[in-house]
Amino acid sequence: NAGVTQTPKFRVLKTGQSMTLLCAQDMNHEYMYWYRQDPGMGLRLIHYSVGEGTTAKGEVPDGYNVSRLKKQNFLLGLESAAPSQTSVYFCASSYPQVNTEAFFGQGTRLTVV
Amino acid sequence: QQQVKQSPQSLIVQKGGISIINCAYENTAFDYFPWYQQFPGKGPALLIAIRPDVSEKKEGRFTISFNKSAKQFSLHIMDSQPGDSATYFCAASRPRGNKLVFGAGTILRVKS
Repeated sequence: NAGVTQTPKFRVLKTGQSMTLLCAQDMNHEYMYWYRQDPGMGLRLIHYSVGEGTTAKGEVPDGYNVSRLKKQNFLLGLESAAPSQTSVYFCASSYPQVNTEAFFGQGTRLTVV
Repeated sequence: QQQVKQSPQSLIVQKGGISIINCAYENTAFDYFPWYQQFPGKGPALLIAIRPDVSEKKEGRFTISFNKSAKQFSLHIMDSQPGDSATYFCAASRPRGNKLVFGAGTILRVKS
């Protein structure tokens, strides 16, 4: 049982380049999330989805777009990468019940130069 | 602004000692308070969680203490072991959407 899988694990981008981070979960979870982790700031919610075809903004959505075309996949896009987007990105998923555990992927370390 | 404030930023404890990490929140709408443990190169994983209708929850060596009136909660790790060395995040969420708000994290090192 793979759980939450993120692709790629590492990436270096030049300023202005675009890329897509892929998250896949095999637990049939309704909810999926994208967080970024920066030193001294914990994890901050970028975007989230409460079901296939739906997305919503989180705490720090600027510069990112997302799509949830299939229930098991949640894509995070950077259209024009900036050095401020250098971070570790985590995808998570959960059941819709209130106060339920969120399961995290292993992260994608992105560096924008 | 940080909705959940966590301290200390880092902590060094001797093997067998007690590790204590504190968190405080402002939003009284929060009704779920989990702690996540993260090892280097891994994603966070749920360690233990509490709801505000109880003042304490214990699972093995890990205990959450919750003070609703003070809007504070803490994680106590008894008999700390080198394998407990990790980054610990407190978090909080409101009833809708299960969106977690995280503290800044505490890097714990247990010296053997």
